[in-house]
Amino acid sequence: AQSVTQLDSHVSVSEGTPVLLRCNYSSSYSPSLFWYVQHPNKGLQLLLKYTSAATLVKGINGFEAEFKKSETSFHLTKPSAHMSDAAEYFCVVSDWAGNKLTFGGGTRVLVKP
Amino acid sequence: DADVTQTPRNRITKTGKRIMLECSQTKGHDRMYWYRQDPGLGLRLIYYSFDVKDINKGEISDGYSVSRQAQAKFSLSLESAIPNQTALYFCATGKAGGDTGELFFGEGSRLTVL
Repeated sequence: AQSVTQLDSHVSVSEGTPVLLRCNYSSSYSPSLFWYVQHPNKGLQLLLKYTSAATLVKGINGFEAEFKKSETSFHLTKPSAHMSDAAEYFCVVSDWAGNKLTFGGGTRVLVKP
Repeated sequence: DADVTQTPRNRITKTGKRIMLECSQTKGHDRMYWYRQDPGLGLRLIYYSFDVKDINKGEISDGYSVSRQAQAKFSLSLESAIPNQTALYFCATGKAGGDTGELFFGEGSRLTVL
């Protein structure tokens, strides 16, 4: 069985300050992990993915995430938030075959001017 | 044009009515999925299909059915809608083999059941 917990349902940051979105996972095998972003009234878009290569993963729009097996975490960060980063973010774990994804509950990011 | 198209985008219906949500894709992917999104719960898998002859239940399939009419088309039906099926529904596609886990989503179908 696999599960994902996003530790914050809402995060508010000021434009130009760092963003940290926290994610912990549970999996009985070596997981594949993903972050997806959903802008208002849009579908989800892949931000980045970890598939057992480098533990620090770089994604689109300046985001990156670090896989820490000892902490079962996959936190998402960005050094400097932009207004366009206001969206909902989902941490996702895949089953061993990549057939099914399990989504976290989501973190809604608000960026203040 | 969008790679994954869902229709309708918004629908209001009454309890007991039959509803169909349709999804078509131009990405040429074999795998197609239906998810529902509820606030605070993320996305939950309803049904998925790995090819035209393959249909599988997800974690919340009760009250739903699907049809894979062609590689590019995957529809979701609610035979007798109930208010707790009010949600945002997403269709997604994915490739078999490499890059598994990367899904491509439609823009969603918002369903309200009164």
